Amino acid sequence: DVKVTQSSRYLVKRTGEKVFLECVQDMDHENMFWYRQDPGLGLRLIYFSYDVKMKEKGDIPEGYSVSREKKERFSLILESASTNQTSMYLCASSFTGLVAKNIQYFGAGTRLSVL
Amino acid sequence: GDSVTQMEGPVTLSEEAFLTINCTYTATGYPSLFWYVQYPGEGLQLLLKATKADDKGSNKGFEATYRKETTSFHLEKGSVQVSDSAVYFCALTNHNNNDMRFGAGTRLTVKP
Repeated sequence: DVKVTQSSRYLVKRTGEKVFLECVQDMDHENMFWYRQDPGLGLRLIYFSYDVKMKEKGDIPEGYSVSREKKERFSLILESASTNQTSMYLCASSFTGLVAKNIQYFGAGTRLSVL
Repeated sequence: GDSVTQMEGPVTLSEEAFLTINCTYTATGYPSLFWYVQYPGEGLQLLLKATKADDKGSNKGFEATYRKETTSFHLEKGSVQVSDSAVYFCALTNHNNNDMRFGAGTRLTVKP
């Protein structure tokens, strides 16, 4: 089974702190994604990566950055956390292949509260 | 751009009732369509998918048919169980890229 692991289920941080959310996948997937999930808004893409050291902005990249130094790990960074970044953060990965293309596998999520 | 619209919830049903959750999409070309389910406290899991017009995806008693003429992918189940209580997301990807678009999600509660 594909496993996508997010390092924390719950985090509480203070405004202005630098926050790191880590995600690791064990299926050698090329693609990795970070979403935030808010009630009534579904999932919104923050950043994604097609390869090591490669990143692309999603729909709502402001206030976030990412790092992908190794294929299996994709980190989301909040440089200076703000209260409007309180949300559920979901990491996903997918394989680039003709048959399996586009199926994304998700981690359990990190619920971040910024006070 | 591509987008997905699904019926607003929450939806509350009694056990063994029939379920329909509507989903329509806007996309160029020929997207793949998905239903994901999120159980309480968990991430999203793929429930079913369809990659071309008239395909029917099915899993765990759920079904959805890719209707290009109505740009729809409605989720149905003939007899829901309490364990089906979850949030359901309709989603699409276009074959040109890996970007996935999600609907807002529909919360289903099934009561005994």
